[in-house]
Amino acid sequence: NAGVTQTPKFQVLKTGQSMTLQCAQDMNHEYMSWYRQDPGMGLRLIHYSVGAGITDQGEVPNGYNVSRSTTEDFPLRLLSAAPSQTSVYFCASSDRGDNEKLFFGSGTQLSVL
Amino acid sequence: KNEVEQSPQNLTAQEGEFITINCSYSVGISALHWLQQHPGGGIVSLFMLSSGKKKHGRLIATINIQEKHSSLHITASHPRDSAVYICAVFTGNQFYFGTGTSLTVIP
Repeated sequence: NAGVTQTPKFQVLKTGQSMTLQCAQDMNHEYMSWYRQDPGMGLRLIHYSVGAGITDQGEVPNGYNVSRSTTEDFPLRLLSAAPSQTSVYFCASSDRGDNEKLFFGSGTQLSVL
Repeated sequence: KNEVEQSPQNLTAQEGEFITINCSYSVGISALHWLQQHPGGGIVSLFMLSSGKKKHGRLIATINIQEKHSSLHITASHPRDSAVYICAVFTGNQFYFGTGTSLTVIP
């Protein structure tokens, strides 16, 4: 099993550009989620999904879109990048959130100029 | 408003010391997770708890649901334990995270 595969590892964007962060898991997990990690603030939930076709907003959803067309994939789209979106992004998955550990991708360091 | 509070924020210990990191939360939860983040940035799950106590090697995690409190203990600490330890709670649909405890173990 590869676990949670997150790409790219690094990305630099100009203000206004769009991009998609990819996240895939091969553990047949229902629960997938995206977080941003900023200094001094801890991880904050952007969007989450409890299964294919089901997504919902977290604490900081503005400027981001998600979709869950398959159990395996949960991409995060930045529609029009802003400097405030400069952060480290993590994707994570779990079977249900409360019945086993949470598995994280390796992270994406995003800079928006 | 912080749903999850951790203490201390920073901790320096001598190799071999017993370490305790505390986590308090204010929301109803179905599970609590302890995570470890090394300087390279990767995040690894250490424990998932819904009650009682779990042990893995030199690490012990406990939770008191009534008091909304959890502790992570490291026995016989080692420099390789140096990392940021993060407490996360699951409410049934969302995770909330503490800001982490940065641990440095000096040889």
